[in-house]
Amino acid sequence: DQQVKQNSPSLSVQEGRISILNCDYTNSMFDYFLWYKKYPAEGPTFLISISSIKDKNEDGRFTVFLNKSAKHLSLHIVPSQPGDSAVYFCAVNPYNQGGKLIFGQGTELSVKP
Amino acid sequence: SQTIHQWPATLVQPVGSPLSLECTVEGTSNPNLYWYRQAAGRGLQLLFYSVGIGQISSEVPQNLSASRPQDRQFILSSKKLLLSDSGFYLCAWSVGQGANYGYTFGSGTRLTVV
Repeated sequence: DQQVKQNSPSLSVQEGRISILNCDYTNSMFDYFLWYKKYPAEGPTFLISISSIKDKNEDGRFTVFLNKSAKHLSLHIVPSQPGDSAVYFCAVNPYNQGGKLIFGQGTELSVKP
Repeated sequence: SQTIHQWPATLVQPVGSPLSLECTVEGTSNPNLYWYRQAAGRGLQLLFYSVGIGQISSEVPQNLSASRPQDRQFILSSKKLLLSDSGFYLCAWSVGQGANYGYTFGSGTRLTVV
């Protein structure tokens, strides 16, 4: 029973265009929603997060949208740059779970020059 | 500032051999510590987490064990490795509930069991 799903294993985008990464979750008992970025042979690094009481959070080129009714989370990157090419994981932080994060399977983004 | 060290970066071990991966955190006290694994083509799977010295919780049954002998040290072990133990192992830490920034991850260990 996978609580967090990233249904697209890969995404290819042209430099300068928008990248949209999607994530779906199956229940509502989550406190925060997070996005991580991972380069090969490195640990994931925190990118951006959003509280469950908000529907949008923006940080530079990165914006995260939360649609609670649809149980859907998305990350928008605009404009996309070749250095954004990486695997992106969404994660959820459940209430009262001691800070344990549940991760999606990841989406590999390729930004082509 | 807080840092997390994980070693070795790469490891090739024969089936049936033991394993010990070490993770240490600096610059913080009483962190929550986690071991995750990323198998080939898969997402990040939580293996163990610890909220204090000697306190270990296992998330999935497996051939691995974890220990926390000191506040900022977390060790992943196996007595006899299986081929299925191959993967990318990540240590992470957080303070309290992880709040809105989640974890800080180490650089990972690529384990290949042959």
